[in-house]
Amino acid sequence: GAGVSQSPSNKVTEKGKDVELRCDPISGHTALYWYRQSLGQGLEFLIYFQGNSAPDKSGLPSDRFSAERTGGSVSTLTIQRTQQEDSAVYLCASSLEYATRNTEAFFGQGTRLTVV
Amino acid sequence: DAKTTQPTSMDCAEGRAANLPCNHSTISGNEYVYWYRQIHSQGPQYIIHGLKNNETNEMASLIITEDRKSSTLILPHATLRDTAVYYCIVTKTSYDKVIFGPGTSLSVIP
Repeated sequence: GAGVSQSPSNKVTEKGKDVELRCDPISGHTALYWYRQSLGQGLEFLIYFQGNSAPDKSGLPSDRFSAERTGGSVSTLTIQRTQQEDSAVYLCASSLEYATRNTEAFFGQGTRLTVV
Repeated sequence: DAKTTQPTSMDCAEGRAANLPCNHSTISGNEYVYWYRQIHSQGPQYIIHGLKNNETNEMASLIITEDRKSSTLILPHATLRDTAVYYCIVTKTSYDKVIFGPGTSLSVIP
């Protein structure tokens, strides 16, 4: 596709269940980022990938959160034993790694996660 | 630790220029100023970025002070569709870890 694709667009899950959120970056983009946005809050950085490696995982809120990326393309953000405070919109973005510093990140439309 | 400060909210009359300020007094020499906006329920949208020269594109203009400690995003003729939260960030590259602050909630009023 032409843009960053995230799925599902909406997810309602019961407290304690595990969820997987998927991000398909723009083809050829080797850098990929995950953010989340809670209701009324700014964007919160979670993790970013350069290729398949994640140099910075410092934004992951707890050890219930993990992410992986395979083939330098699709990334999956997994939340185990979901809690109500995990309810948020989870946003993925990608950008060209090798480009000069004059580049921008392109965002997907996000996955709205609701934990009930 | 957003490294930027912006007003919480602003109003602008439709058709007038919207001037959104941002302070980034601790910006380092190799950091760029990027602006994104987020319209309700959508993902953030890139607007413009710059290093030290003023920049203009089809969406907006970016004015950066000579000491680079502050900048202003200008939407020359605001429309109702420009109502959004505007984020000013500083980063070495757009794929570096970026920290979004709460941004400025711009309301364009008919």
